Amino acid sequence: GDSVTQMEGPVTLSEEAFLTINCTYTATGYPSLFWYVQYPGEGLQLLLKATKADDKGSNKGFEATYRKETTSFHLEKGSVQVSDSAVYFCASGGKLIFGQGTELSVKP
Amino acid sequence: SQTIHQWPATLVQPVGSPLSLECTVEGTSNPNLYWYRQAAGRGLQLLFYSVGIGQISSEVPQNLSASRPQDRQFILSSKKLLLSDSGFYLCAWSVERDYGEAFFGQGTRLTVV
Repeated sequence: GDSVTQMEGPVTLSEEAFLTINCTYTATGYPSLFWYVQYPGEGLQLLLKATKADDKGSNKGFEATYRKETTSFHLEKGSVQVSDSAVYFCASGGKLIFGQGTELSVKP
Repeated sequence: SQTIHQWPATLVQPVGSPLSLECTVEGTSNPNLYWYRQAAGRGLQLLFYSVGIGQISSEVPQNLSASRPQDRQFILSSKKLLLSDSGFYLCAWSVERDYGEAFFGQGTRLTVV
């Protein structure tokens, strides 16, 4: 069945560091792919998405590219801020399956 | 604009008691509806999803059931709660024919004692 696997956390970085959170998926066909974010004390909200192979989703300095050949959708940001501290979820469309979440903590 | 309502926000129930959590969506028709459980440190687990009235798909066999009696109403139930049913339950909806981008309710914190 469909599944999403993302790197385990927690991930702790210093401000302005480079961020990568890995995500791979297994699915029938080519679903849309998503990154959601959950800030402390808040609900989930969509961060970015890509609907087909080679698409790049971007928002708030975050980027992720839909790689069909590696079935991946890794999240990256060139310079993280303290305000980026949150839990990040990768998800695939269709049944909307989520990965287990990666907690990011950015220290000043 | 579309909104999603989920209640109650918190619930403490004894083991063996029944459960009914309700979720309603406003401002859209024929949404896809989802129930998730978010356990501490375990991410989001898809429990049920529905593409239409009376159409429920169960992803994980367990002590819970779901129903969709109306187009924009999704109910999560149990006849007898277990301690292991404790968790944070989230309802979500997405647009018909686009199973992706979902919008989440505020969640229900269920504690079974």
